[in-house]
Amino acid sequence: LAKTTQPISMDSYEGQEVNITCSHNNIATNDYITWYQQFPSQGPRFIIQGYKTKVTNEVASLFIPADRKSSTLSLPRVSLSDTAVYYCLVPGNAGNMLTFGGGTRLMVKP
Amino acid sequence: GAGVSQSPSNKVTEKGKDVELRCDPISGHTALYWYRQSLGQGLEFLIYFQGNSAPDKSGLPSDRFSAERTGGSVSTLTIQRTQQEDSAVYLCASSLRPGVGGPQETQYFGPGTRLLVL
Repeated sequence: LAKTTQPISMDSYEGQEVNITCSHNNIATNDYITWYQQFPSQGPRFIIQGYKTKVTNEVASLFIPADRKSSTLSLPRVSLSDTAVYYCLVPGNAGNMLTFGGGTRLMVKP
Repeated sequence: GAGVSQSPSNKVTEKGKDVELRCDPISGHTALYWYRQSLGQGLEFLIYFQGNSAPDKSGLPSDRFSAERTGGSVSTLTIQRTQQEDSAVYLCASSLRPGVGGPQETQYFGPGTRLLVL
């Protein structure tokens, strides 16, 4: 069972770049890495997914080194509205179940 | 059409009572998931449905919890003889298909049902 480890919390200021790193040492060959964002009183929302190297979309970038044992979510120029919990996920068993860990609570300050 | 919907949005019940929570997935999504989130905690997987296959119940915390999915669409999570430790937000998600050994289909989450057991 692939397990993820990520910092419990991070603080940042508006306009800064935020990088959240997740460890997944037991990731399987076919596993993709997915990041979700959750605001208070809402369900999680998909941000980005990747398999290797770098993926970028309108919201974030995801960096995955060659050994794939970790990944880094990069949020450019954060704003107050980026304050949320960010979850890094890899498949649980047979890829059908996503295991959500505790996530990283990002606080963006003015 | 619309996103995943859940009802009720809030439920207060007395210890020992049964409760039913409903989830309407996005039309056409074959996979449906139930999660539980206690205050300030991460999501705990409960159960997963895929098409007409037998559900993956591996996450259900006790035999007081059960779920069904009728006609491959709407799902109901039932908690019998509720206990105070059942108080949590119950989240439902659906995806177009499950990811198996490949890209994980994006899971779309509903707003959740906040359950409080007194």
